[in-house]
Amino acid sequence: EVQLVESGGGLVQPGGSLRLSCAASGFTFSDHYMDWVRQAPGKGLEWVARSRNKVNSYTTQYAASVLGRFTISRDDSQNSLYLQMNSLKTEDTAVYYCARDHGGNWNYDYWGQGTLVTVSS
Amino acid sequence: QSALTQPRSVSGSPGQSVAISCTGTSSDVGGSVFVSWYQHHPGKAPRLMIYDVSQRPSGVPDRFSGSKSGNTASLTISGLQAEDEADYYCCSYAGTYTHVVFGGGTKLTVL
Repeated sequence: EVQLVESGGGLVQPGGSLRLSCAASGFTFSDHYMDWVRQAPGKGLEWVARSRNKVNSYTTQYAASVLGRFTISRDDSQNSLYLQMNSLKTEDTAVYYCARDHGGNWNYDYWGQGTLVTVSS
Repeated sequence: QSALTQPRSVSGSPGQSVAISCTGTSSDVGGSVFVSWYQHHPGKAPRLMIYDVSQRPSGVPDRFSGSKSGNTASLTISGLQAEDEADYYCCSYAGTYTHVVFGGGTKLTVL
């Protein structure tokens, strides 16, 4: 059974940092592109970042709203995905989901239950 | 404001059909075959219901179908059941700069 479990969320002050983790199981993690998607309170979903697989040189992509502040990374030996979030803003407050890409076509066939990040003073 | 426009809410009685629209532009929905739909019960993981405009993953009931015309994609749910009550989000590939965009979500109420 495919499982994605996020952790690392919490309360942080504006300008602070936080590192999210996503533990994957039930599939060959190294084969897949993995993304972070977030949902601010009362808002829709917003794509955050992508990590491609080893075959595609682990290249990364970011939404304009987080470029230069967030860094996505992965450790295939640990079946884990990470999101390092620096210079956090109040507008980064959201539930952050880890999601597996279905075939590299920006369709997400498995999601975690999310971890809440609250940026507030 | 989300990039793709969805109605905030739709409703239907058990057994009826409902359609949820998702309107974008020629840069996303209109120009992409990578349009997907997700069902989200609050507090749970979102679930892929439709991918590549009209494909159904294994395990998704055939009551769920997807289509696209021009810049608007649609998710149709026939034979509504109580368990279908959830939030539904559309998603589209949007090119090499924006990458992917989502709709603002539609709350489906089964009366």
